[in-house]
Amino acid sequence: GENVEQHPSTLSVQEGDSAVIKCTYSDSASNYFPWYKQELGKRPQLIIDIRSNVGEKKDQRIAVTLNKTAKHFSLHITETQPEDSAVYFCAATFGNEKLTFGTGTRLTIIP
Amino acid sequence: DSGVTQTPKHLITATGQRVTLRCSPRSGDLSVYWYQQSLDQGLQFLIQYYNGEERAKGNILERFSAQQFPDLHSELNLSSLELGDSALYFCASSDRAGNTGELFFGEGSRLTVL
Repeated sequence: GENVEQHPSTLSVQEGDSAVIKCTYSDSASNYFPWYKQELGKRPQLIIDIRSNVGEKKDQRIAVTLNKTAKHFSLHITETQPEDSAVYFCAATFGNEKLTFGTGTRLTIIP
Repeated sequence: DSGVTQTPKHLITATGQRVTLRCSPRSGDLSVYWYQQSLDQGLQFLIQYYNGEERAKGNILERFSAQQFPDLHSELNLSSLELGDSALYFCASSDRAGNTGELFFGEGSRLTVL
């Protein structure tokens, strides 16, 4: 079935440290894996995405890695800052038609 | 500003009632998606329309229906409302039919059923 599991559900890290959020997906045919950030009371916004023909992608302090064999992908945020505090959602496409989201990770950066 | 407009921003109604949520996609986007976000929950995919036609369906209840009009705006109709329907309903749009590109979300319509 179409399932995306996301861990942890909450994460607190000291400012300046790194944060890692992990997701697994069920459909080996999934080919697109975006990450969205939702600040409190705001709309979700895309921060980075990766396609199945790539193993890693970086954008400044944010990176995503994909392991197709294990069917999991991870978000890495380095040198965390207070403005990184938000809920992060991973997602995966199923059959190129449905984008299924994980249950979210509430990240809190401790000053 | 994502360019996606949703109305109303807030709506309070009673159980058993019917409401309509409206969404205008970004200029040029042909796909419209509806998502439901309950308190402390993830984003549950409801339905997608592409250029006026239903493209994909998620866990949308039979009491809910949607459509996309010729001008590409979309409406989500929720009927026989129950307390559990209280949620934030997001509309998103994209420039493609398949789910392989960025979704631009509106600010959401917060529905409270009393």
